[in-house]
Amino acid sequence: GDSVTQMEGPVTLSEEAFLTINCTYTATGYPSLFWYVQYPGEGLQLLLKATKADDKGSNKGFEATYRKETTSFHLEKGSVQVSDSAVYFCALRANDYKLSFGAGTTVTVRA
Amino acid sequence: DAGVIQSPRHEVTEMGQEVTLRCKPISGHNSLFWYRQTMMRGLELLIYFNNNVPIDDSGMPEDRFSAKMPNASFSTLKIQPSEPRDSAVYFCASSLEAGATIYGYTFGSGTRLTVV
Repeated sequence: GDSVTQMEGPVTLSEEAFLTINCTYTATGYPSLFWYVQYPGEGLQLLLKATKADDKGSNKGFEATYRKETTSFHLEKGSVQVSDSAVYFCALRANDYKLSFGAGTTVTVRA
Repeated sequence: DAGVIQSPRHEVTEMGQEVTLRCKPISGHNSLFWYRQTMMRGLELLIYFNNNVPIDDSGMPEDRFSAKMPNASFSTLKIQPSEPRDSAVYFCASSLEAGATIYGYTFGSGTRLTVV
């Protein structure tokens, strides 16, 4: 079935460091790919998405490129801030209604 | 747009009591999802409604859990009787379902349930 595997955390970084969170997927057909972010005590918010191969999603300084050849959708940010501390979820939506989530990666940014 | 609205934000109840969680999806969205989030199991899809009809309830843990969607703007998740292991954050999400996969979900802020 459709599934997403993302790197395990927790990840701890210093402010202004480079962040990468790896995400790979298994799916039939042509899924859309998403990154969601969950700040402490809040619900999940859509961070960015890409709906076809080679698309790049971007938002708030975060980027991810849909790589069909490597079945990946890695999240990157060039210079993180303390306010980026959150849990990040990779997700895919393939041929039906279901959004399949990864396990989540906890990111902590220290001042 | 007010987003997906859930109530209450926090609920503390005693074991054996009935608990009802409420959700108002985004107007115009025709798909609604209930999720449960715990440290041990992460995000679990409990039930999915499309056009107010339950389509997939395979994630509902047991008969103590039930969900309804009487109209396009309201859904409830009920636990009766509640048990301590039901303690979790319950999220409602809604989505457009226009036959395409490009739409993500919009989540509510969740209800943190504690059963003592």
